[in-house]
Formats: sequence, C-alpha cells, structure tokens
Amino acid sequence: NAGVTQTPKFQVLKTGQSMTLQCAQDMNHNSMYWYRQDPGMGLRLIYYSASEGTTDKGEVPNGYNVSRLNKREFSLRLESAAPSQTSVYFCASLGTSDEQFFGPGTRLTVL
Amino acid sequence: GENVEQHPSTLSVQEGDSAVIKCTYSDSASNYFPWYKQELGKRPQLIIDIRSNVGEKKDQRIAVTLNKTAKHFSLHITETQPEDSAVYFCAASWSGGSYIPTFGRGTSLIVHP
Repeated sequence: NAGVTQTPKFQVLKTGQSMTLQCAQDMNHNSMYWYRQDPGMGLRLIYYSASEGTTDKGEVPNGYNVSRLNKREFSLRLESAAPSQTSVYFCASLGTSDEQFFGPGTRLTVL
Repeated sequence: GENVEQHPSTLSVQEGDSAVIKCTYSDSASNYFPWYKQELGKRPQLIIDIRSNVGEKKDQRIAVTLNKTAKHFSLHITETQPEDSAVYFCAASWSGGSYIPTFGRGTSLIVHP
C-alpha cells in the first residue's frame, strides 16, 4: 500500500498563476482532508470531504477550491495564487479508528 | 466551534529527562484526543490517542492523560532520547459524525544529547 500520496512535492508560482495539488489514497477511506501548515499556526483545515461526492469548507477556504474526483482522489485548486498562500499543504484520509493518515506534503511558494 | 490551546510552544530537555506537553479544549462534546508527531520535513504521524471513557493510556515511554472535568489532556514522554526531537500536535474532536479535528498549534521538543 502506498498510503496517501501527493503531487507535486515542491512548486513555485508567480502571483496570479493557478495550479492543482493532487492527492490520492489507496486505503479505501471515505473521508479526506486538505490542510495548510504555517510556522506557529499548526494544521488548519482548508476543505474536507466526508464521502465521495461531498465537500465542505473548513477554517480557511478562501482562495481555494476542491474536487472529490472519486473515492481515491481529492484535489485542491488555487485559481489565482497569492503570496499569502505560500505554505506547506498536507492531504489526509481518515481510517476506521479515527486515525488520520497524512500525505508527504507539498511545499508551495508564491512569489 | 472547538478551540484547542497547546503549551508550551517550545520545550528543551536533556536526554533522559521527562517531557510534558499540555492541551486544553473548549467543547465538552469532544470525545477523541489524538497526538501526532512530526519530524522535520516529514508528515504528521499518530503516536498515541485517548478517548473520553479512559483517563490514562500508556505505550512504552509515552503516555496520555485526560481530565474531562477540567477539559485538558497531556502527553508525557519519559526517558527522552534525541530521536524524540520533533513537533508534537494535540487535537480534539467528536468521533461520531463528520470527523473534523481541531489541532493545537504544536510544541517543538528539542532533546539535547
């Protein structure tokens, strides 16, 4: 099992550019999440998907959109990147015992 | 919504000492409290968790205690080793519907050899 995978690992964007972060899990989990991690701020929830076909906003959704493509895949899109979106992004899925499994992260820099 | 406060933000200890990280939560409905460890440049990984029907749980050198009345829970690491150096996050959530944990801001633990 690969667990939770994310692409890309690193990305540099210019202000106003768009991009999609990809996430996939092979554990047959229903719930998936996108977090951003900034120094001293912990993990803040951007969006989550409780099941295939549903998505909901988390604590910091502004400037982002998501798509739950199928049970395995949950993508995060930045339509017009801003320097404030410079961060490390983690995708996660939820196991049956409430353990969250995190992907390796995407380090995004917006210039 | 839930609010989780975590202290201290940084903790420096000598190898072999004990380390304690404390968290408080605000929502009395929360019933599941995991702790995640994140090594530098790596992903967070669950190291121990506790549910509200239990007051203490141990796993080798780590333990977690929960005081539901006071709404606080703590992570205890004994006989610390340099490989324990990492950022530790607590979280609180209600396990029963849509699982949306609220995380603390993290504690950077540094264990000096």
